[in-house]
Amino acid sequence: DGGITQSPKYLFRKEGQNVTLSCEQNLNHDAMYWYRQDPGQGLRLIYYSQIVNDFQKGDIAEGYSVSREKKESFPLTVTSAQKNPTAFYLCATKGRVWGTGELFFGEGSRLTVL
Amino acid sequence: QKEVEQDPGPLSVPEGAIVSLNCTYSNSAFQYFMWYRQYSRKGPELLMYTYSSGNKEDGRFTAQVDKSSKYISLFIRDSQPSDSATYLCAMSAMSGNTGKLIFGQGTTLQVKP
Repeated sequence: DGGITQSPKYLFRKEGQNVTLSCEQNLNHDAMYWYRQDPGQGLRLIYYSQIVNDFQKGDIAEGYSVSREKKESFPLTVTSAQKNPTAFYLCATKGRVWGTGELFFGEGSRLTVL
Repeated sequence: QKEVEQDPGPLSVPEGAIVSLNCTYSNSAFQYFMWYRQYSRKGPELLMYTYSSGNKEDGRFTAQVDKSSKYISLFIRDSQPSDSATYLCAMSAMSGNTGKLIFGQGTTLQVKP
């Protein structure tokens, strides 16, 4: 089935540790995005990539890093520099043509810092 | 002031009620307006899409955009318990992959049987 796979679904981390969230897609979409969702704050853009080997910072990139070595994959690393990393993280993709403007989302990864 | 404001609720209604969800925005350049539905512990999915001003209807759902007032609405008729979810408005000024979506905070809706 075509779609976006995020893993792990739940992740616990100790303070001071880096953690990497995986996002894989088989929709053949060019653009990929990482959002963070906190209660009462909606979705905030962390990083996005429009093509392989290129990515841009979003509104809240501090403490995060990404790579885009393959079209299918856009992993997000939450570093120890991120002050408040506990959140629900969503990966999304968008096809080449705007069309309906639809972002396709994965199921999300919930990160908890202990 | 946030670019997009949405009442977070929660909103609780009885089954069969008409539900009105609203967002206001400050950026007059926004032209593309969307509503996403997000079930608990899931990713959002696109529910409705509207370009510029006007109404769009899809089954029990109607999306309205009033650009002069910078106000958008989503109406749900004959609401069902399966409509219980968080509804996020989103908007963008540009098309294509460079068009960055700005999301509202989301409104949590509960429809009681």
